[in-house]
Amino acid sequence: QVQLQQWGAGLLKPSETLSLTCAVYGGSFSAYYWNWIRRPPGKGLEWIGEINHSGSTNYNPSLKSRVTISVDASKKQLSLKLSSVTAADTAVYYCARGLGGSYSQLGLDPWGQGTLVTVSS
Amino acid sequence: QSALTQPPSASGSPGQSVTISCTGTSSDVGGYNYVSWYQQHPGKAPKLMIYGVNKRPSGVPDRFSGSRSGNTASLTVSGLQAEDEADYYCSSYADSNNVVFGGGTKLTVL
Repeated sequence: QVQLQQWGAGLLKPSETLSLTCAVYGGSFSAYYWNWIRRPPGKGLEWIGEINHSGSTNYNPSLKSRVTISVDASKKQLSLKLSSVTAADTAVYYCARGLGGSYSQLGLDPWGQGTLVTVSS
Repeated sequence: QSALTQPPSASGSPGQSVTISCTGTSSDVGGYNYVSWYQQHPGKAPKLMIYGVNKRPSGVPDRFSGSRSGNTASLTVSGLQAEDEADYYCSSYADSNNVVFGGGTKLTVL
């Protein structure tokens, strides 16, 4: 059974860089795309982007200029960096496995436990 | 504002059926067979309930079904049970190489 465990700093100041890591336990790492998604308080989910084991990435066009997703396939880990954060980036951030190739054409499953990131001065 | 439009709330009594809509455009919901639905209980991670518009992953009860008409996808929960009370989100692949979600619907079992 595949499990995703994520961690990272939960409180940031405006203009800082958000940094999160997600580790994958069990199952194949190389057969899938691995995604980051966020849910701002009181709002819906927002797809941030994805990466595969070889480092090929796809990003949400609205966040692309500030997002970097990287991978360490040897450790079965993916990381998210989001630069120049503002209060609008306050959200619960999730990692998730994408099914059906790029852009999770067959859905996202499973998901990590989520990390609340708050941006406040 | 989310790319896909969902009603903020829905409700039904135990045993009844409820349908949640998800309206997009021909550039997302109406243009691709890549619509998914997720269930999220408070404090928990989302769970995939439907993929490919109308397919159920292994382990998801057949009380959950998906469909689409034009640019609107729907999730129907039949035989409502107390544990179905949760937030539900739709998503779709979209033109310009993107994945878009709805704003979520809070389902209340009366």
